[in-house]
Amino acid sequence: AQSVSQHNHHVILSEAASLELGCNYSYGGTVNLFWYVQYPGQHLQLLLKYFSGDPLVKGIKGFEAEFIKSKFSFNLRKPSVQWSDTAEYFCAVNAPGNNAGNMLTFGGGTRLMVKP
Amino acid sequence: KAGVTQTPRYLIKTRGQQVTLSCSPISGHRSVSWYQQTPGQGLQFLFEYFSETQRNKGNFPGRFSGRQFSNSRSEMNVSTLELGDSALYLCASSSPGTGVGGYTFGSGTRLTVV
Repeated sequence: AQSVSQHNHHVILSEAASLELGCNYSYGGTVNLFWYVQYPGQHLQLLLKYFSGDPLVKGIKGFEAEFIKSKFSFNLRKPSVQWSDTAEYFCAVNAPGNNAGNMLTFGGGTRLMVKP
Repeated sequence: KAGVTQTPRYLIKTRGQQVTLSCSPISGHRSVSWYQQTPGQGLQFLFEYFSETQRNKGNFPGRFSGRQFSNSRSEMNVSTLELGDSALYLCASSSPGTGVGGYTFGSGTRLTVV
């Protein structure tokens, strides 16, 4: 079974700082990769997803993520964070070759606090 | 366009009781998945329904069950509640057009077992 690790549980940044959140997964086959975000008091929302093709994917609100197959990683980045980016971020993987359907395996989440 | 609607928003139940949670997906979405979110275990997949059929099931005991109706609305049931079942239960819907895992999540039902 696949698993997902997010190494940073809590991150505190000042506005305009650059962000990189780590995500590693364990699964040897083809994967679909996702980042979801949960803003305070709101429901989970899809930030971006990778299925195939260009390993650098761009999502909403200026976020991007890079899939590095050799490292089993899918790190999330943003060049300049804003206070409104304060949220919890979840990395997730789907393994289509595992008859997974829509099933996602989520990482434990990273809480980001951006200081104004 | 209405989002995913989960009812009720909050529930308090006693150990040993059973509970039913409801989820109405976005119109046109035929896939409904359920997740349990707890501080200790994070987000864990419960099951997925597509066109009234369970397509996948997570690693939860048989006390957790679900079903989907012909209008794609889904319910999940937990019988013989335990304290550890206290969690936020999230429903998510998707369609082939949103791609695998391209969920729209509901706001969840917060279940407290006392």
